[in-house]
Amino acid sequence: EPEVTQTPSHQVTQMGQEVILRCVPISNHLYFYWYRQILGQKVEFLVSFYNNEISEKSEIFDDQFSVERPDGSNFTLKIRSTKLEDSAMYFCASSPQGSTQYFGPGTRLTVL
Amino acid sequence: AQSVTQLGSHVSVSEGALVLLRCNYSSSVPPYLFWYVQYPNQGLQLLLKYTTGATLVKGINGFEAEFKKSETSFHLTKPSAHMSDAAEYFCAVSERNTGNQFYFGTGTSLTVIP
Repeated sequence: EPEVTQTPSHQVTQMGQEVILRCVPISNHLYFYWYRQILGQKVEFLVSFYNNEISEKSEIFDDQFSVERPDGSNFTLKIRSTKLEDSAMYFCASSPQGSTQYFGPGTRLTVL
Repeated sequence: AQSVTQLGSHVSVSEGALVLLRCNYSSSVPPYLFWYVQYPNQGLQLLLKYTTGATLVKGINGFEAEFKKSETSFHLTKPSAHMSDAAEYFCAVSERNTGNQFYFGTGTSLTVIP
């Protein structure tokens, strides 16, 4: 069964460094999402992406964040200058038609 | 914005007992409703969903959920708990428009006692 994959599974970075989190959505899905879960808190929406552009973003998704679908298969989340409070589990999700979302295993980001 | 409430951050049941995990949403317009399960060190796996039609939906691993509009609820049940059901369970809702974000509850950690 097709799955959403994410790399790396764990990323450790220094505060102020740029990180890129990678996701390969399920083939033929059209909608793509990033969420994050700070330890002990609920899963929070960051951004949705459809037709090669951002369709919705939350207040969390400020100018430090960007997303790309560079090659038709990958979907990336870039954090330009990481802060301590960016430490979280980041989940990628994809959806074939924009209702049910299928999630990847997550990338645990630790900012030191 | 939607609000999702999961009553009970930790639930313990004996093996073979009924599992009941509660979820309430805030919207006056019935949203799409989902339950996801997260096993340790794994991602979110879809258990079941309600979008339209029959209000009692069946999912994987013997779980069911019933949409009750009058109670704005979507509680998850399983008649007989198994040790392998121990995990974190998340209720999520989205508005009835294509591509909308999910709003998650805070999750319920289920422990199954042998």
